[in-house]
Amino acid sequence: DIQMTQSPSSLSASVGDRVTITCRASQGIRNDLGWYQQKPGKAPKRLIYAAASLQSGVPSRFSGSGSGTEFTLTISSLQPEDFATYYCLQHNTYPWTFGQGTKVEIK
Amino acid sequence: EVQLVESGGGLVQPGGSLRLSCAASGFTFSSYWMSWVRQAPGKGLEWVANIKQDGSEKYYVDSVKGRFTISRDNAKNSVYLQMNSLRAEDTAVYSCAREGVVRGVIPDYWGQGTLVTVSS
Repeated sequence: DIQMTQSPSSLSASVGDRVTITCRASQGIRNDLGWYQQKPGKAPKRLIYAAASLQSGVPSRFSGSGSGTEFTLTISSLQPEDFATYYCLQHNTYPWTFGQGTKVEIK
Repeated sequence: EVQLVESGGGLVQPGGSLRLSCAASGFTFSSYWMSWVRQAPGKGLEWVANIKQDGSEKYYVDSVKGRFTISRDNAKNSVYLQMNSLRAEDTAVYSCAREGVVRGVIPDYWGQGTLVTVSS
């Protein structure tokens, strides 16, 4: 199975900060990666697909990059509604695997 | 509006069985791959299984192979997860999710999930 190592596991940031979350794959997955945001008690929301494509309706402060084994999700200016847990998901090879999650908390 | 509503969760003893259902509406169900994903209490997301539009392809995470079976009924706009030989580590909220019309598109819509608790 492909292991997705996500870092950091948590971070504290202030409104307006630039935030970067990284996912590393244990083997190359081309650009077969997406990013999700999950708030407590809610279903995950797809933010990014194909590593860098912004889901319709998602604010442009979210961006994704990377290919192969290293990927990043960047929030250019953190907003109050962005405090949540973020997950990457690889869909290159079955079984699909998620990263462990990054909890973004208020500083 | 796309809606996915799961049902069938509950408390079951180790070794027992449970069948989860997911009723879909608001889109042409028969055109989409469908997934089940789970989340243990306080833990991260785990992809469990998915199924092609006509049921001819199914994929599973290793930990459930041979115990869980995903199926669908396009006439009822529903996808199912039959879970046998349940273990304590299967305790989680199980959610169905819509993938794409072609293979390899990650889910865009998710249900709210149904809680499965495996305990004696």
